[in-house]
Amino acid sequence: DQQVKQNSPSLSVQEGRISILNCDYTNSMFDYFLWYKKYPAEGPTFLISISSIKDKNEDGRFTVFLNKSAKHLSLHIVPSQPGDSAVYFCAASADFGNEKLTFGTGTRLTIIP
Amino acid sequence: NAGVTQTPKFQVLKTGQSMTLQCAQDMNHEYMSWYRQDPGMGLRLIHYSVGAGITDQGEVPNGYNVSRSTTEDFPLRLLSAAPSQTSVYFCASRALTEAFFGQGTRLTVV
Repeated sequence: DQQVKQNSPSLSVQEGRISILNCDYTNSMFDYFLWYKKYPAEGPTFLISISSIKDKNEDGRFTVFLNKSAKHLSLHIVPSQPGDSAVYFCAASADFGNEKLTFGTGTRLTIIP
Repeated sequence: NAGVTQTPKFQVLKTGQSMTLQCAQDMNHEYMSWYRQDPGMGLRLIHYSVGAGITDQGEVPNGYNVSRSTTEDFPLRLLSAAPSQTSVYFCASRALTEAFFGQGTRLTVV
């Protein structure tokens, strides 16, 4: 039972345009969400997070939106750059600081120059 | 500025062999965890620890043991390797808001 779902295995976006990565979750106990970026042969690196008390969090080119009623979050990257090509994982936890992160299956983003 | 260090980076085991994957962090984080990444499955939690002397099971703990004798180290032991344990293993240590991952260990069991 996949509690965190990323239904798009891959996404291609032109350089300079907006990339939108989506994530859905089923567990209503999740209240803290994170996005990680992963390059080949490296560990995931933290990108941005959002608590359920917010519906938007912004950090430079990266913005995460949370729709609690739809149990949906999205990551927007504007403008997209070639270095953004990577696999993106969303993750969720119940309680801020809870050790147990549940990850989605990942979306491979390719930025086309 | 090492962060989370995993050794080895690559390992090939025969079915039935045992081995220990090492993980060390120098950030004084209380929380540490082990994940495995398989194609189409994302990262799945194997075991985690909330401090020295305290460990607990994650989503896929069978076939693995852990211990946490110090804050810095969190080794993962494969008791009797099976082909189903072929995977990429990541260790992570967590501050309050985010987890920092090691570079991973690619394990093949033949």
